[in-house]
Order: sequence, then C-alpha cells, then structure tokens
Amino acid sequence: EAGVAQSPRYKIIEKRQSVAFWCNPISGHATLYWYQQILGQGPKLLIQFQNNGVVDDSQLPKDRFSAERLKGVDSTLKIQPAKLEDSAVYLCASSLRPSGGAETGELFFGEGSRLTVL
Amino acid sequence: AQSVAQPEDQVNVAEGNPLTVKCTYSVSGNPYLFWYVQYPNRGLQFLLKYITGDNLVKGSYGFEAEFNKSQTSFHLKKPSALVSDSALYFCAVSPVASGGSYIPTFGRGTSLIVHP
Repeated sequence: EAGVAQSPRYKIIEKRQSVAFWCNPISGHATLYWYQQILGQGPKLLIQFQNNGVVDDSQLPKDRFSAERLKGVDSTLKIQPAKLEDSAVYLCASSLRPSGGAETGELFFGEGSRLTVL
Repeated sequence: AQSVAQPEDQVNVAEGNPLTVKCTYSVSGNPYLFWYVQYPNRGLQFLLKYITGDNLVKGSYGFEAEFNKSQTSFHLKKPSALVSDSALYFCAVSPVASGGSYIPTFGRGTSLIVHP
C-alpha cells in the first residue's frame, strides 16, 4: 500500500514570496489533515478536510494561508506571502473512515515538506 | 479546547531497562488518546490509541500505554528498551468532532534516548 505522498520535500524561499505544497493521501482515505511543525514543537493543525469539505480551519492564518481539496483526493496548501515565522515542516496526514462508521483514529503521515523562509 | 502536556523534553534510559514517557491531557468529554513516534526526517508513525475499554492499551513494537482517568494521564511504557527505540514521541488527544472525525492536538514531544 502506497503511503501519503508529499512534495516538494524541501523548499527555500525569501520572505514575501509564495509557495505551494502538494499532498496525495492514501487511496480511499476520506479525511486529510495539514499540520505545521515548527522546530522543537509538536504538530499544530492547520486544516482538516472530510472529502472535499472543510471540517476545521480555525487555526489556519487565512490572510496568507489557503488550502484546497477540490476533488476530495489530493490537496494543495499555499502560503502567500511567506513570513520568516512560516519556516517549518508542513505535514500532511490522512485517515480512514469505514463506510457507515466513525474513523479509525489512526493518522498516516507523509514525510513532510520542509520550508525555510529567508 | 483540548491540550496535551509532555513534561519531559528528554528521557534517558539504558538498553534493557523499562521506559516511561509521560503525558497528561485536558479535553471536554471522553478523551481519545494517541501516541506517535517520529524518527529523524520522517513523518509521524502511529503507535497506539485509547478509545474505550481496557485502561492498558498495547501497540506496535512492544509499547503499551496506561489510561488513568482520575489523573488525566496516558503514559507510554515499554518493559525493555532497545537502542532502536530512540526517537521523538508525541502524545495526542482528541474529542470526537461532528461526523465522527478526530481532530488530534499534539504535545510538544519527548526525545527518548536509549543508551547501549
């Protein structure tokens, strides 16, 4: 079974530039999460999708961050314009929700996209 | 809002000795609790979860965790540590959101170092 795919693995940009990260979840996983992990901290949820609908985006800085999952499969997270404090690893995760039931609760993570803003 | 505290930044243990990584939580309603492990330059990997039932939960790689409702704790344990267990460990808590989704909130992580 293929895991969660993310790209690019590494990105270096200057402040005020824009960047986009892509995530392809495990096939059949309806729920997709984007987390931000700053060095020395735990992952912080940015946005959660259930199929192509947003479940929670309360911690997404909407003035500069946007995310979409148009067809309920892969997703893109964009930052525009980037700030120095956006330097972090952006983790994508997905989870399975069996038909008619609640989710299993286990998140499968990709390897992350490391962003450095200079 | 839910929160997780991992009071130790680092835990050191000798190989073969038992290990404990501590976690306390705060959440409204019934807690759903998780442990994940992160190796260098890798994403997080699921270890185990507590949803309901037995307070002692067994997971991958010989790890287990004990749910204690009165102390709001969910400590991770292993009877005999291996050098290969050295990694970053994250505790997470979630309520069950509408529609049956989990929205895990993670602690800041504890670095486990197992010495040969």
